[in-house]
Amino acid sequence: AQSVAQPEDQVNVAEGNPLTVKCTYSVSGNPYLFWYVQYPNRGLQFLLKYITGDNLVKGSYGFEAEFNKSQTSFHLKKPSALVSDSALYFCAVRDLRDSGGYQKVTFGTGTKLQVIP
Amino acid sequence: ETGVTQTPRHLVMGMTNKKSLKCEQHLGHNAMYWYKQSAKKPLELMFVYSLEERVENNSVPSRFSPECPNSSHLFLHLHTLQPEDSALYLCASSQGGGWWAGELFFGEGSRLTVL
Repeated sequence: AQSVAQPEDQVNVAEGNPLTVKCTYSVSGNPYLFWYVQYPNRGLQFLLKYITGDNLVKGSYGFEAEFNKSQTSFHLKKPSALVSDSALYFCAVRDLRDSGGYQKVTFGTGTKLQVIP
Repeated sequence: ETGVTQTPRHLVMGMTNKKSLKCEQHLGHNAMYWYKQSAKKPLELMFVYSLEERVENNSVPSRFSPECPNSSHLFLHLHTLQPEDSALYLCASSQGGGWWAGELFFGEGSRLTVL
């Protein structure tokens, strides 16, 4: 079984400051890891993914995430937060060994990011 | 039109009504999904169709009935729902699986309220 934990329901950060949204995962094999963002009254949008290779992954809107295998973490980061980054962020995991014809992804509970002007 | 489109965006129904949610994807993907989103809970995967065949059905009550007539369309038929079924229902599509780590493309959701 695979699972994702997002330990913070909400993260508050001042505009211009760096932000981190935490995610840890559990999977039997090697993971594929994803971050999605959900703005109010919208569906989820893909931000970035880790498959293999460089542990630092860059994505949309200036976001990046760091894969740490020993800590089973995949934290989302941004050097300078914008008010427009305020949204709900979801971490997700998929086991690389899953061979079905679809993306068997497990999502976390989400973290609300509030960027304060 | 591009992406994943869901209709209606909002739906209010009584417990004895029958209604349907519709999803259409214009991305040429071969897998489509229904998720349920409730506050403070992880996204719950309800159903998955791969190449128009249902491949996942996560112990969803029979009052929810999916239909996938072709690779571009997905429906969720609703009947005799309960108030606890009130939630945001999200449709998504993706390309394949296996070694390909494709992202999911989501629609904007259908907000369902059961009275």
